[in-house]
Amino acid sequence: GQQLNQSPQSMFIQEGEDVSMNCTSSSIFNTWLWYKQDPGEGPVLLIALYKAGELTSNGRLTAQFGITRKDSFLNISASIPSDVGIYFCAGHPTPGNTGKLIFGQGTTLQVKP
Amino acid sequence: NAGVTQTPKFQVLKTGQSMTLQCAQDMNHNSMYWYRQDPGMGLRLIYYSASEGTTDKGEVPNGYNVSRLNKREFSLRLESAAPSQTSVYFCASNEGTVNTGELFFGEGSRLTVL
Repeated sequence: GQQLNQSPQSMFIQEGEDVSMNCTSSSIFNTWLWYKQDPGEGPVLLIALYKAGELTSNGRLTAQFGITRKDSFLNISASIPSDVGIYFCAGHPTPGNTGKLIFGQGTTLQVKP
Repeated sequence: NAGVTQTPKFQVLKTGQSMTLQCAQDMNHNSMYWYRQDPGMGLRLIYYSASEGTTDKGEVPNGYNVSRLNKREFSLRLESAAPSQTSVYFCASNEGTVNTGELFFGEGSRLTVL
């Protein structure tokens, strides 16, 4: 089946550093979304991307829908301790959005104060 | 608003026992979803309901059944639990009947099958 590959699997960074993570697929995706999961909680949507090439920011977060429609990246600038968590990419394989949103394996981020 | 509420939050079962995970949303959303989360595997869709009265299989439906009781509630049932079903289960909802990807998740139900 279709899969999303996230990298890196985990990151351990110093507070204030910038972070970059990405998500790739062997097939075209219709939408790309980025979620964050805090420990013990459910995932929360950060950014949704719907067009190839789209670049969207949400505060210190910036995400892009790759031109090839097979990848997306998420950048976090000036990281802070509350950025700790698991970041998931997700997407709809084209054609159709029939409920089957595919999730990546997640990138675990640790921030050292 | 409470959003998406799941019960129970924790459960331990013995192999072969049955149980039902409950989920309710108060956002008047049309579609609802059950995912399971396992280490290193992200979230995998078990079943979903695009609208009241309809249910469909997701990626990993074997061993589960669902019931969309009404627009608010979507339950997940394990008829005969197996150790492979040890996982964290998340219920989610979406405003539309088509999954735009903008899901609202509950806090999760951690299930251990011994």
